[in-house]
Amino acid sequence: GAGVSQSPSNKVTEKGKDVELRCDPISGHTALYWYRQSLGQGLEFLIYFQGNSAPDKSGLPSDRFSAERTGGSVSTLTIQRTQQEDSAVYLCASSSRPSSYNEQFFGPGTRLTVL
Amino acid sequence: AQSVTQLDSQVPVFEEAPVELRCNYSSSVSVYLFWYVQYPNQGLQLLLKYLSGSTLVESINGFEAEFNKSQTSFHLRKPSVHISDTAEYFCAVSDSRSGSEKLVFGKGTKLTVNP
Repeated sequence: GAGVSQSPSNKVTEKGKDVELRCDPISGHTALYWYRQSLGQGLEFLIYFQGNSAPDKSGLPSDRFSAERTGGSVSTLTIQRTQQEDSAVYLCASSSRPSSYNEQFFGPGTRLTVL
Repeated sequence: AQSVTQLDSQVPVFEEAPVELRCNYSSSVSVYLFWYVQYPNQGLQLLLKYLSGSTLVESINGFEAEFNKSQTSFHLRKPSVHISDTAEYFCAVSDSRSGSEKLVFGKGTKLTVNP
């Protein structure tokens, strides 16, 4: 079956522009996560969606970052007024249910470069 | 809050040699523990996990890790590595209480297996 997909695979933008990154989770997975992988910081949690519950936004680094999940499936991560320090690989993951066992399946990532 | 320390950023070894990748964590609550692997130009994949029960867990490709609660460690070992094990390995923890799903990652260890 299809895994987690993300688009675009690469995005180059100019400082100050807005970008949208898309994630399609595995069909039927109710939980969706965004992480960021950067050279200086490693892998950092950004935001977590679970069903219709309010998302856990505790990892978003600033108010320029936001995410939504429409219809409990596709998610979009938006970065407004991009800065050079936003350059990173943005990873999406999904898991099948909120339970005591948390196996997350990761997508290939979107590499964002801010010039 | 949890944190993860991977003591070695890079580990070079020769083929067929044993290897140990070290991971220590800090947490005020009980945790689940994971090792993820990222092969060159590929996404993150779950290698093995500790949820409960036996403190020694194994992967299908010969890696094993042992949960040591007193030392708050979850070191990854393999008795004889192959060239194909060259990858970046990430140790991660999550809060074992239901509803706290995010993964907290270490900064990763790049394992390079040389012929």
